[in-house]
This record gives sequence, structure tokens and C-alpha cells, in this order.
Amino acid sequence: EDQVTQSPEALRLQEGESSSLNCSYTVSGLRGLFWYRQDPGKGPEFLFTLYSAGEEKEKERLKATLTKKESFLHITAPKPEDSATYLCAVHPTSSNTGKLIFGQGTTLQVKP
Amino acid sequence: DGGITQSPKYLFRKEGQNVTLSCEQNLNHDAMYWYRQDPGQGLRLIYYSQIVNDFQKGDIAEGYSVSREKKESFPLTVTSAQKNPTAFYLCASSIQAATNEKLFFGSGTQLSVL
Repeated sequence: EDQVTQSPEALRLQEGESSSLNCSYTVSGLRGLFWYRQDPGKGPEFLFTLYSAGEEKEKERLKATLTKKESFLHITAPKPEDSATYLCAVHPTSSNTGKLIFGQGTTLQVKP
Repeated sequence: DGGITQSPKYLFRKEGQNVTLSCEQNLNHDAMYWYRQDPGQGLRLIYYSQIVNDFQKGDIAEGYSVSREKKESFPLTVTSAQKNPTAFYLCASSIQAATNEKLFFGSGTQLSVL
């Protein structure tokens, strides 16, 4: 069964304290892995797509990496405005309909 | 600006009542989706549509219905058969369902039971 698990469920950081969020996945094959940011009461906002192991993408203080079993979202010197829930989703090769499998999310709080 | 508009932002349902959530997009996307989000859980797919006048059930379709009469619109009806409707509902779209395209999401509708 295709599955996505994110850890930790919640993370509290001080401003400037770098850390990583994990997304572990079990799929028969991977078309792509997506990272989204979601603010309270709003819809998810797209951050990155990763397609193959070894791929990396960066945007400001965020860097996403991908291996054959997991993806990491590295946050370097975070600021309070980085506080949000980060969602990971995979598009398995078993799906030809665009259906994504989402993890439960990691809620990040960055304190000044 | 192009995007997805969901309305209303908040909706209250009485027991035995059907309610309809609106979703409109002006991105010219073929595919549209409805997801349900509960606290501490991942997004779960309710229904999706790859093209006008066609839609398929997702993982949790029981108690819900949809229509896709226009490319821009994909309304979701929460029927009285859905016994636990309280959740945050998200509409999304992508260029095409069969390709590996990212989803664009609306701002969501919070549905609560009175």
C-alpha cells in the first residue's frame, strides 16, 4: 500500500536555529514528490517538486532533497514568518489520474 | 490574477440538510479535485474530474456528490448521508490529471455541524 509519513508532527525552533523535516514514503514507483506550505485557515501553497533520487531544490531559506525512501525539507536560519504547516505528497506510478497521497504534515513554530 | 475561488469561507449545516460548496477556477485547468482535511490527518481525496462532464470517486466519496458542467466550476454537495461532515474542504486544480503537474489550491471552506 502506498503510504507517506511525516516527522516530527510538530517542531518548535528559535529564530536562526536550523533544522530538517522528514517525509518518508513507501510506493511501488515514484512519479514525483511535492512539498507544500499551509498557513492556518488557508489552502496549501506549492513549494517544490522533486522527481528523482539525488535531486535538490532551493527557495530562500528552504532546501528540499530526495532519496529513494525519503525527502527532507531543510530550513536554514528560520524566521518567525516561516511558521506554518509543511505538507509532503507523492504521486505514485500506480496513479495515472494525478491523485496524490499526502502525509499528515509537520507544524513548525519559529519563535523570535 | 488567475486562481481558485472557494465559497463560502465558513458554512454551517443542520442535521438532515444538504449543503453545497462552490469552487471556481480561471486557470484554464482540465483537472479539478476536492480534498477533505481533518486535524492531524493528511488530505484525503473525495472526488476528482479530469474533464468536463466526467468525474470519479476518490477515497472517501460516500455522502458526497459533485458535478462538472463547466470547465471552470466543480461544486461539491455534502449530503445528509455524510454523518461526520465537520472538516476543512479544499478544492484544487491541475493542468491535466494524467501528467505530473502540481496542484493549485483554493483557500478552503470550513464546514461545521449545528
